[in-house]
Amino acid sequence: DIQMTQSPSSLSASIGDRVTITCRASQGISNYLAWYQQKPGKVPNLLISAASILQSGVPSRFSGSGSGTDFTLTISSLQPEDVATYYCQKYNRAPPTFGGGTKVEIK
Amino acid sequence: EVQLVESGGGLVQPGRSLRLSCAASGFTFDDYAMHWVRQAPGKGLEWVSGISWNSDNLIYADSVKGRFTISRDNAKNSLHLQMKSLRLEDTALYYCAKDIRTGPVGAVDYWGQGTLVTVSS
Repeated sequence: DIQMTQSPSSLSASIGDRVTITCRASQGISNYLAWYQQKPGKVPNLLISAASILQSGVPSRFSGSGSGTDFTLTISSLQPEDVATYYCQKYNRAPPTFGGGTKVEIK
Repeated sequence: EVQLVESGGGLVQPGRSLRLSCAASGFTFDDYAMHWVRQAPGKGLEWVSGISWNSDNLIYADSVKGRFTISRDNAKNSLHLQMKSLRLEDTALYYCAKDIRTGPVGAVDYWGQGTLVTVSS
């Protein structure tokens, strides 16, 4: 099975900072990659599908890029409401594995 | 408004069985694949099982294969997860989740609030 590795596992940044989270697949998955945000005590929320398609209602400060094995989620200007754990998920074929998560905190 | 409401969780002894259900509304249920995703306390998301729109394709995580069975009833807009031979490591919040596509492997755009399964003696 393809493994999904996220880095870093946690980060602390200041309000307004540009934040980058990476997700690496152990084999190529084309652009079958989704990003989710899970705020503390809440259910996950789909941010991005197909590596770069922003879901309706998601702030434009979020963006995704990448293809093949290397993917990036970028928050262009970190806001207090972005405190959350972010997960990538590959869905090119079964199993649709999640990455281990990246916890984002405010410095 | 899409709603996914799970039920059936609870405290169960190791080796016993439990059946989870999910009532779906607010969308055309038989147009989409569905999934169960779980999250152990303080841990990350773990995909458990998925089912295509017409039940032709069923997929399972290796950790539950042979013990869990996913099913759906499109007439009743419901999703189920029959769990047998439960283990301590199955303790988690189980989410019912809607796929963005018809096949059993896709991203998830809606999640229920989850039902807690605790396996303990």
